[in-house]
Amino acid sequence: GNSVTQMEGPVTLSEEAFLTINCTYTATGYPSLFWYVQYPGEGLQLLLKATKADDKGSNKGFEATYRKETTSFHLEKGSVQVSDSAVYFCALTISNFGNEKLTFGTGTRLTIIP
Amino acid sequence: EAQVTQNPRYLITVTGKKLTVTCSQNMNHEYMSWYRQDPGLGLRQIYYSMNVEVTDKGDVPEGYKVSRKEKRNFPLILESPSPNQTSLYFCASSLFPGGTEAFFGQGTRLTVV
Repeated sequence: GNSVTQMEGPVTLSEEAFLTINCTYTATGYPSLFWYVQYPGEGLQLLLKATKADDKGSNKGFEATYRKETTSFHLEKGSVQVSDSAVYFCALTISNFGNEKLTFGTGTRLTIIP
Repeated sequence: EAQVTQNPRYLITVTGKKLTVTCSQNMNHEYMSWYRQDPGLGLRQIYYSMNVEVTDKGDVPEGYKVSRKEKRNFPLILESPSPNQTSLYFCASSLFPGGTEAFFGQGTRLTVV
């Protein structure tokens, strides 16, 4: 079956540090890949996505590149801010006779300290 | 404003007492689903619906029911809740399957004692 593995948290960084959160996947077929972010007390929001190999998704200074050869979709940001503190989920979806089921990783809690 | 609205946000109930968590979206989305979030497990799909009157099981459907009588509403029903259903629940909707953005509600934190 399909699965997503992302780095264990929690991750604590100082403000302006470089961020990488690793994500690898296993899928049959050609998945679309996503990063969702969950701020405290809120639902998940789409952060960025990529729908085919070598696509780069980007938003709010975050980037991730769909690497088919390494089955990876690592999240990066050059300089994190306190406001980036949240839980980050890597996810994939493959259309399966109409069920656009999102398969999630376990989430990585990120804390940025001033 | 495009949104998915869940109610209630917090609920404490006793084992065996039927409850319903409501979900409504205002984006005319055809696809809706329910997930539960548990520590160390991420989010897992409970049920999904492709359109009105079309629902099917996700990965963890045991102990849950759903209905889709109107396009905008997708309630989650726990007929006889048990403590292992204590979790954080999210409703989500999207325009159509495959590669599209899913919009999530704010979540319902359910405790079954």
